[in-house]
Amino acid sequence: AQSVAQPEDQVNVAEGNPLTVKCTYSVSGNPYLFWYVQYPNRGLQFLLKYITGDNLVKGSYGFEAEFNKSQTSFHLKKPSALVSDSALYFCAVTPAEGGRRALTFGSGTRLQVQP
Amino acid sequence: KAGVTQTPRYLIKTRGQQVTLSCSPISGHRSVSWYQQTPGQGLQFLFEYFSETQRNKGNFPGRFSGRQFSNSRSEMNVSTLELGDSALYLCASSSGLAGGPGETQYFGPGTRLLVL
Repeated sequence: AQSVAQPEDQVNVAEGNPLTVKCTYSVSGNPYLFWYVQYPNRGLQFLLKYITGDNLVKGSYGFEAEFNKSQTSFHLKKPSALVSDSALYFCAVTPAEGGRRALTFGSGTRLQVQP
Repeated sequence: KAGVTQTPRYLIKTRGQQVTLSCSPISGHRSVSWYQQTPGQGLQFLFEYFSETQRNKGNFPGRFSGRQFSNSRSEMNVSTLELGDSALYLCASSSGLAGGPGETQYFGPGTRLLVL
């Protein structure tokens, strides 16, 4: 069975500073990895995904993530945080093999960007 | 394109009742997945439907069921509601075809169910 760990419940960063939200995963075989963001009283909004190819993935709103197979990590990054980035961030994984579209999510990390 | 829509947005039920939630996927999408989000258990996969057939199922009791119609709209049903069923129920759609599990799933706003 697959699993995702987001070790930080909350990350605080000042506006304009770089941000990192950590994610490590466990899966049999190759992973497909996703990042989603959730704003209050809203569903999940897709940010980016790693399927194959370049380990650095660029996504929406200036976010990017780096896939590191040896460390089984997929950390989310942004060079300069905005107050509007404050939200709940989820990392998710599904095995590349097997055809299941069932995402396994981490527990979420609340990002707080201070002005 | 319109996004994924879910109705109703909010629902209050009492223990023992049953409830039906509805999801309309993005136009052209044929795969619909359902997830439950609770503070204690986080986001958990319930099931996926494609072309009116359940293709995958998560680890939930039989009280949780679903179906998909020929227009790809999906409903999920929870019978004999328990207090622990209080949650945000999220529906996600994807084309369901060649992309496989790497396809992006697009989520709706969710239905918040409160069981009293």
